[in-house]
Amino acid sequence: SAVISQKPSRDICQRGTSLTIQCQVDSQVTMMFWYRQQPGQSLTLIATANQGSEATYESGFVIDKFPISRPNLTFSTLTVSNMSPEDSSIYLCSVGARQGTGETQYFGPGTRLLVL
Amino acid sequence: EDKVVQSPLSLVVHEGDTVTLNCSYEVTNFRSLLWYKQEKKAPTFLFMLTSSGIEKKSGRLSSILDKKELFSILNITATQTGDSAVYLCAVPPSGTASKLTFGTGTRLQVTL
Repeated sequence: SAVISQKPSRDICQRGTSLTIQCQVDSQVTMMFWYRQQPGQSLTLIATANQGSEATYESGFVIDKFPISRPNLTFSTLTVSNMSPEDSSIYLCSVGARQGTGETQYFGPGTRLLVL
Repeated sequence: EDKVVQSPLSLVVHEGDTVTLNCSYEVTNFRSLLWYKQEKKAPTFLFMLTSSGIEKKSGRLSSILDKKELFSILNITATQTGDSAVYLCAVPPSGTASKLTFGTGTRLQVTL
């Protein structure tokens, strides 16, 4: 499976500021995803990061709030813009991978964000 | 709308017990069901199930899928404190092969 790293691993931010989270993979991958996990909740997909084109956002998530870059097949960033305490979550990137006849996803170590 | 429901929401057992975690799903075009273990932040992949009745096994963990009744179970035998985690199941939603819809998870605590 791919080795995925994320930076930062955690941060405490003031409301109104922005934070950019980086996701680096040790091999080229086609599919990269960004998830959010709010306290006590399960994972919710924010968007699919597309290489060379705009990210595909899920319902309830918009580009102005969560701009995403995917400059190549091994790297992506997620920015959480104009943060509020409600953005306090774990943010996870993942990559798609073939598993037998199907597909699975492998996750990065996550970024724990606290907004004050 | 695609749905994934896990039960129980939480579970406390003693070391050495056997546990069974449940995942039921509603997906129009089923492709696969995945199980993950989440200890701190990152979910780690456990199993992918695509066919009914074929058990996947890894050490003390095993899982099986019932496509007729639309559910899967994850069994952990001889539980250890290191098994304490949130266990998540996920399915690709209808119309896509790559995205995942996650269940709410089962929080398992194994005590001495």
